Amino acid sequence: SQTIHQWPATLVQPVGSPLSLECTVEGTSNPNLYWYRQAAGRGLQLLFYSVGIGQISSEVPQNLSASRPQDRQFILSSKKLLLSDSGFYLCAWSPLVEAWGQFFGPGTRLTVL
Amino acid sequence: AQKVTQAQTEISVVEKEDVTLDCVYETRDTTYYLFWYKQPPSGELVFLIRRNSFDEQNEISGRYSWNFQKSTSSFNFTITASQVVDSAVYFCALSRSEKLVFGKGTKLTVNP
Repeated sequence: SQTIHQWPATLVQPVGSPLSLECTVEGTSNPNLYWYRQAAGRGLQLLFYSVGIGQISSEVPQNLSASRPQDRQFILSSKKLLLSDSGFYLCAWSPLVEAWGQFFGPGTRLTVL
Repeated sequence: AQKVTQAQTEISVVEKEDVTLDCVYETRDTTYYLFWYKQPPSGELVFLIRRNSFDEQNEISGRYSWNFQKSTSSFNFTITASQVVDSAVYFCALSRSEKLVFGKGTKLTVNP
């Protein structure tokens, strides 16, 4: 069966510091991968998605970037965090077959102070 | 453009009551898929159901049931005999190529 991991689970970072969040998927090959952000009490905002190694699509231009160095690894980064980057970050995967739905990881709660 | 509307921002019920969460969608696609997810306080989104546009049969899974009506572009979710563990935010979503369009979610609180 497929499993998706995210780490760290929680993170408190000062403004201006760098960020690296990691997501890995087990039990599948060639998944589509997604990064979402959820601000407190708000809906889901798609940040990036990837349909293959090195292929990244950005949905919202902002202070973040994403990379996919391996088939089942997706990394969200920032060089300098802003207060507005605080939120709950969710990674998700979906099979290549269209519209089977997305399956989410446990999330990372980021607080920027 | 595709859009999902969950008009109910918050719902509060007492345990054992039935509750229906509304979802209305807009799409010009003839083939599409609809989804419901549950987000408990822990934060992880849990997949509940996937329904394609050609299958209008209602689905029942235990205390959960879903009513899909293409004529009204709705995909409503009913919880029968609600329990405290059903307290969560519920999201409805619509497929758009390899992405999903999510509604803003409905926060359900089930009080003992």
